[in-house]
Amino acid sequence: ETAVFQTPNYHVTQVGNEVSFNCKQTLGHDTMYWYKQDSKKLLKIMFSYNNKQLIVNETVPRRFSPQSSDKAHLNLRIKSVEPEDSAVYLCASRSGGDTQYFGPGTRLLVL
Amino acid sequence: GDSVTQTEGLVTLTKGLPVMLNCTYQTTYSPFLFWYVQHLNEAPKLLLKSSTDNKRTEHQGFYATLHKSSSSFHLQKSSVQLSDSALYFCALSDGAGGYKVVFGSGTRLLVSP
Repeated sequence: ETAVFQTPNYHVTQVGNEVSFNCKQTLGHDTMYWYKQDSKKLLKIMFSYNNKQLIVNETVPRRFSPQSSDKAHLNLRIKSVEPEDSAVYLCASRSGGDTQYFGPGTRLLVL
Repeated sequence: GDSVTQTEGLVTLTKGLPVMLNCTYQTTYSPFLFWYVQHLNEAPKLLLKSSTDNKRTEHQGFYATLHKSSSSFHLQKSSVQLSDSALYFCALSDGAGGYKVVFGSGTRLLVSP
């Protein structure tokens, strides 16, 4: 099966903790993204990687840091979570035809 | 910077009626426009895309035409079904192969029996 996989599905944590989310794609794409979808369902790009290299880094707080070991993996670490980080984090990979394929998302709840 | 505007937050319709969801954009690049659909508790999926001026693109009964003169890419369907109830996003990429993607705020379509 070829797709975009994300773990965990759901994570509950407390303010100040560190969290990490994983994303893997088996589609053979070179480009991957992290998006944040807030409670109003707004989708905002956070980072874009092409073949392990950071290409797009939108204005996000420094506590967010992406990591890519190879072009199929893109992880996201949040160093010290804040309440406003509660959201769904969507990973996507992009084909040469520019279509983005989204993973199921990781829902983060910060208490 | 680049932007995408979707003017309707919520559209409610009865099954069988036509629908048009508005999308306008601003960019200095050659635009590549997309419509993504997100059903409840699912990930967004591509519905259709275009970078060709004045050419209609269709998929699953939905269609849209990119009009560069008016910077628009409205989504239409002639007869909505209950299963079309979802969140629809218009998105803009900075040209073919561009890495930056901007999404509109989304339009929720609710279809009633």
